[in-house]
Amino acid sequence: AQSVSQHNHHVILSEAASLELGCNYSYGGTVNLFWYVQYPGQHLQLLLKYFSGDPLVKGIKGFEAEFIKSKFSFNLRKPSVQWSDTAEYFCAVRGISGGGADGLTFGKGTHLIIQP
Amino acid sequence: DGGITQSPKYLFRKEGQNVTLSCEQNLNHDAMYWYRQDPGQGLRLIYYSQIVNDFQKGDIAEGYSVSREKKESFPLTVTSAQKNPTAFYLCASSWFRGDEQYFGPGTRLTVT
Repeated sequence: AQSVSQHNHHVILSEAASLELGCNYSYGGTVNLFWYVQYPGQHLQLLLKYFSGDPLVKGIKGFEAEFIKSKFSFNLRKPSVQWSDTAEYFCAVRGISGGGADGLTFGKGTHLIIQP
Repeated sequence: DGGITQSPKYLFRKEGQNVTLSCEQNLNHDAMYWYRQDPGQGLRLIYYSQIVNDFQKGDIAEGYSVSREKKESFPLTVTSAQKNPTAFYLCASSWFRGDEQYFGPGTRLTVT
């Protein structure tokens, strides 16, 4: 079974600071990886995803994530955060086996607060 | 506009009553899902359906029931057997199980 661990439950940063949110997964085979974001009062929406190819993935709003297979990690980064990045961020993994893909498994989320 | 609608946004019920949450999608997706979101718990899968007239239990199905009579609709019933029903419920859909999921706005259920 697959699982996801997000290291930080709450992160508080000042505007213009750099951001890195940790995500580690547990699965022995091929994976697809996702970061979702939930802005206050809005739908959960996809930030970026990794299926294959270049392990550095760029998403919306200046976010990027790097898949490091040897570390089972998919950390989310942004060089300079804005107040509008205040949100809850969820990492998710999908394991792929010979029998087909499993469903998404979500981490517990990181609540990011950006102070002006 | 294509998307997922959930109604109502807020729902209040007395303990011991069953309550049904609505989820409709017009994305023509085959797979649909119900999650429960609690603070610090992330999203936990309640039920999912890969095709009409078929559904499977997720990680926390006890006290919940679903139906999938139409492709676009996947209602969730929270029964009186659910010990802790107060939560934020999210519906999602995707082309197939495991694909990128699209989420609805959620229903916040409060049971007193």
